[in-house]
Amino acid sequence: DAGVTQSPTHLIKTRGQQVTLRCSPKSGHDTVSWYQQALGQGPQFIFQYYEEEERQRGNFPDRFSGHQFPNYSSELNVNALLLGDSALYLCASSRDRGGIQYFGAGTRLSVL
Amino acid sequence: RKEVEQDPGPFNVPEGATVAFNCTYSNSASQSFFWYRQDCRKEPKLLMSVYSSGNEDGRFTAQLNRASQYISLLIRDSKLSDSATYLCVVNVAGGTSYGKLTFGQGTILTVHP
Repeated sequence: DAGVTQSPTHLIKTRGQQVTLRCSPKSGHDTVSWYQQALGQGPQFIFQYYEEEERQRGNFPDRFSGHQFPNYSSELNVNALLLGDSALYLCASSRDRGGIQYFGAGTRLSVL
Repeated sequence: RKEVEQDPGPFNVPEGATVAFNCTYSNSASQSFFWYRQDCRKEPKLLMSVYSSGNEDGRFTAQLNRASQYISLLIRDSKLSDSATYLCVVNVAGGTSYGKLTFGQGTILTVHP
């Protein structure tokens, strides 16, 4: 049983560019949440997707957007990248919106 | 004030020691509580859920005090493999924050021979 998978594992971009990160949830899970983890900090909630809709959002600007597909996989898009967007981006899936969340290995984004 | 606060440490302990981590949370509507473990440059992994009655899993014991909004994790007989960052996590059930995990900064533990 595959766990949560994320791609790519690493990414290097320059300021102003756009990036798309991908996540496939654990089998049987229908909810995907995205988190940003800066070095030395705990993960910060970006948003959660359920039934292909954004259900709630953390304190992140509109440059951060997402999508969930009918097969429950999800994308995180970040536009107009800033140096401060450099972080580990984690995807977590759960059986429902309140279920225990299991994390993927993350995508490490570096913005130069 | 941060929603979830932890002592960042680091805690450096010898093998076999007992170590305790504390965490406080500010949102009284918090309903679910967890400890996650994160190894260097890896993803967080669920260590254990925390229940009001307290719960134990082998060498690990978690306690919750809702009145004080305080969570603890006790590790007995520390092993080298326990070296990691321990993240205190709360989840507000229901309302607009349903399913949103709020993490503490993490407490770094290093167990040495």
